[in-house]
Amino acid sequence: QKEVEQNSGPLSVPEGAIASLNCTYSDRVSQSFFWYRQYSGKSPELIMSIYSNGDKEDGRFTAQLNKASQYVSLLIRDSQPSDSATYLCAVRRSGGGADGLTFGKGTHLIIQP
Amino acid sequence: DAMVIQNPRYQVTQFGKPVTLSCSQTLNHNVMYWYQQKSSQAPKLLFHYYDKDFNNEADTPDNFQSRRPNTSFCFLDIRSPGLGDAAMYLCATARNQGQAGGYFGAGTRLSVL
Repeated sequence: QKEVEQNSGPLSVPEGAIASLNCTYSDRVSQSFFWYRQYSGKSPELIMSIYSNGDKEDGRFTAQLNKASQYVSLLIRDSQPSDSATYLCAVRRSGGGADGLTFGKGTHLIIQP
Repeated sequence: DAMVIQNPRYQVTQFGKPVTLSCSQTLNHNVMYWYQQKSSQAPKLLFHYYDKDFNNEADTPDNFQSRRPNTSFCFLDIRSPGLGDAAMYLCATARNQGQAGGYFGAGTRLSVL
């Protein structure tokens, strides 16, 4: 069973600080990785995608990928109370006719004003 | 404007009473996915359509069926809902196979009484 693992939290971070969210995955051949933000009762919203080793920045968000360690992370700089949500890590499935995404259970992030 | 539209947003059904959830898309994407997300759990892929080709996940219960009458619409039928089927049902699309990640609908929250 190919899995995506995340610490469920809650992760509590003061407003203005950097929030760091981590994710590991088991399928070594995975190539595409995504971070979604999900507010309570809402559907997931894509905030970052990353395909190559290294860092990818978009505004206050930075995704980091290390395929050798099978590790993906998301950094949120200058955290705001509106960033409080559950963050889902997802890996695109591939091989053997597989399609779609495998998700982690998510990390619940709380930004303290 | 919403590009992946799910109806209804909230659905209440009785134990054992068939229910149908609807998803439509204005993106003209070839692939449509249905995910099930139970409380505090990861979204789980139930099945997907590539055009008219139906792809069922091995562990999707027989109680769940799907129809895609045309490119724009996809339906999820639950033939005999049980209490354990109460969840958020998420529809997503991708332009082609192997391109999952991005467009989710707002979801339908199903309650089973």
